[in-house]
Amino acid sequence: QSALTQPASVSGSPGQSITISCTGTSSDVGDYNYVSWYQQHPGKAPKLMIYDVSNRPSGVSNRFSASKSGNTASLTISGLQADDEADYYCSSYTSSNTRWVFGGGTTLTVL
Amino acid sequence: EVQLVQSGAEVKKPGESLKISCKGSGYSFTSYWIVWVRQRPGKGLEWMGIIYPGDSDTRYSPSFQGQVTISADKSINTAYLHWSSLKASDTAMYYCARHSSSALDYWGQGTLVTVSS
Repeated sequence: QSALTQPASVSGSPGQSITISCTGTSSDVGDYNYVSWYQQHPGKAPKLMIYDVSNRPSGVSNRFSASKSGNTASLTISGLQADDEADYYCSSYTSSNTRWVFGGGTTLTVL
Repeated sequence: EVQLVQSGAEVKKPGESLKISCKGSGYSFTSYWIVWVRQRPGKGLEWMGIIYPGDSDTRYSPSFQGQVTISADKSINTAYLHWSSLKASDTAMYYCARHSSSALDYWGQGTLVTVSS
């Protein structure tokens, strides 16, 4: 069982917005601003989309935004496009001896 | 350009040993931690461990402590993941990634390890 909880799947139509949640505890998401999000297309390596809760690396579309409230982080994708269809993973620093943890992943389907 | 290039796919038998590699270029290899991540077929990402090539300081996730060995050779900008005795359950894609402050900003292409008798 993953340390961070994500919905298994979400879906949306082109042009719509969707939000993916990532729920942890006060030992990880709730206590540190070190939440990151990764996009993984089938057969490809993951790609960093968001770091430090809400920062986008250079080159990542501003359609991707993220935030955190309490023990839950969220990734929002606006203006959905077909290429957004992928798996998305959150990750956080944790005070437990695992140091860093991933969520179980969410499959985004663009209808 | 920052790149992490991993060694090629491997097919091994249970009980065999294996070392896969991850070569960094385009940045100061000794100044960033390298992380190893496992992804079993159809499953999610799992944090295995992390190494600082500058001084080989290494930390393991408890699930992987004693199961694998992470090392690095800074003279050739390469990190390694080593198994002394593979099991079928080690069948997975393994990624290395550069750890920049608080996130994994560059990833290798992955190395598929298949363990089957």
